[in-house]
Amino acid sequence: DAKTTQPPSMDCAEGRAANLPCNHSTISGNEYVYWYRQIHSQGPQYIIHGLKNNETNEMASLIITEDRKSSTLILPHATLRDTAVYYCIVTPGGGADGLTFGKGTHLIIQP
Amino acid sequence: DAGVIQSPRHEVTEMGQEVTLRCKPISGHDYLFWYRQTMMRGLELLIYFNNNVPIDDSGMPEDRFSAKMPNASFSTLKIQPSEPRDSAVYFCASSLVWGKHNEQFFGPGTRLTVL
Repeated sequence: DAKTTQPPSMDCAEGRAANLPCNHSTISGNEYVYWYRQIHSQGPQYIIHGLKNNETNEMASLIITEDRKSSTLILPHATLRDTAVYYCIVTPGGGADGLTFGKGTHLIIQP
Repeated sequence: DAGVIQSPRHEVTEMGQEVTLRCKPISGHDYLFWYRQTMMRGLELLIYFNNNVPIDDSGMPEDRFSAKMPNASFSTLKIQPSEPRDSAVYFCASSLVWGKHNEQFFGPGTRLTVL
């Protein structure tokens, strides 16, 4: 069973904020929300992760709802290079585990 | 930092041949992962190692697949004999686990085509 649900595709205009939703209604207390992206023909790339607080880094912001059942990845000023498949992954903290990738959201940035 | 290195980048072989994919993780990383990506099944974890020891190989599809990590700087994924359905992009990733953060760094992948 999928642990996360994401829309299959989204469009966003260049320069605008891209908001990518993820539903993870069965998340457990010890599980983190991670976001990776995969640009065409490349390996996946880590973006950001969080447990329950909102997080921000140089790439993006992560907003997690108070009940932790959903989250939103925000790319504040999308560029054409942000066109990629974005994966929302729920995984336990405290050690390395293999990542379970779903189908992700194909984000297309329009010029 | 060279990142995770995989070789070859492309491999074309005939059904029944042995195929060996290679991976050099980032120096100092203590976890190594092998993934496979196909259009039908997406990205799947095959196996992962911690300090050169296999931890979970439940994703390895069948006995034709084997993986080794003889030292901290090298790992192989072998398919013998190969079949057309093994055609995929194979990714290697490594990570250094600290605290509760686990960021995996992926290599560029090996595109395998079995004819």
